[in-house]
Amino acid sequence: SAVISQKPSRDICQRGTSLTIQCQVDSQVTMMFWYRQQPGQSLTLIATANQGSEATYESGFVIDKFPISRPNLTFSTLTVSNMSPEDSSIYLCSVADSDTQYFGPGTRLTVL
Amino acid sequence: RKEVEQDPGPFNVPEGATVAFNCTYSNSASQSFFWYRQDCRKEPKLLMSVYSSGNEDGRFTAQLNRASQYISLLIRDSKLSDSATYLCVVNIRKVNDYKLSFGAGTTVTVRA
Repeated sequence: SAVISQKPSRDICQRGTSLTIQCQVDSQVTMMFWYRQQPGQSLTLIATANQGSEATYESGFVIDKFPISRPNLTFSTLTVSNMSPEDSSIYLCSVADSDTQYFGPGTRLTVL
Repeated sequence: RKEVEQDPGPFNVPEGATVAFNCTYSNSASQSFFWYRQDCRKEPKLLMSVYSSGNEDGRFTAQLNRASQYISLLIRDSKLSDSATYLCVVNIRKVNDYKLSFGAGTTVTVRA
């Protein structure tokens, strides 16, 4: 399975600021995803990061709030913009290998 | 109605016991099914895929019932290390699409 790393692993941010999370994979993958997991809840898909084109966002998530970059097949970033305390969550990068998804270790974000 | 529903538990069992729980899914077009395990403050990790004929991996047995749209997981001879949240995951595969739906998780605690 792919080895996925994320940076930062955690951060505490002030409301109104933005944070960019990086996801690096040790092999080329076609499909990369960004998820959010709020405290005590399961995972919610934010968007699919497409290489060479705009990300595909799920209902309830918009590009202005969560801009995503995918410059190549091993790297992606998710930015959480103009943060509010409601954005406090774990953000997880994921890649698909055939029929299975593997997850990065997550970025734990706390917004004050 | 949620796409994937699970009994949240918690299931509190003694070491050596057998524990089983189900998950139901709403979309009859769902193609692939998985159980993931998530430890506290960690990312989800694939436990096993679930095949139509049912499958076993050591002490873990997964069953799929397409007619009734449910998936089950059975853990035999429980170990303390089996304590975790088990996520039921369903893939609705569409043309040029790939989306996982996650259940909220079933918490299992194995006590000495």
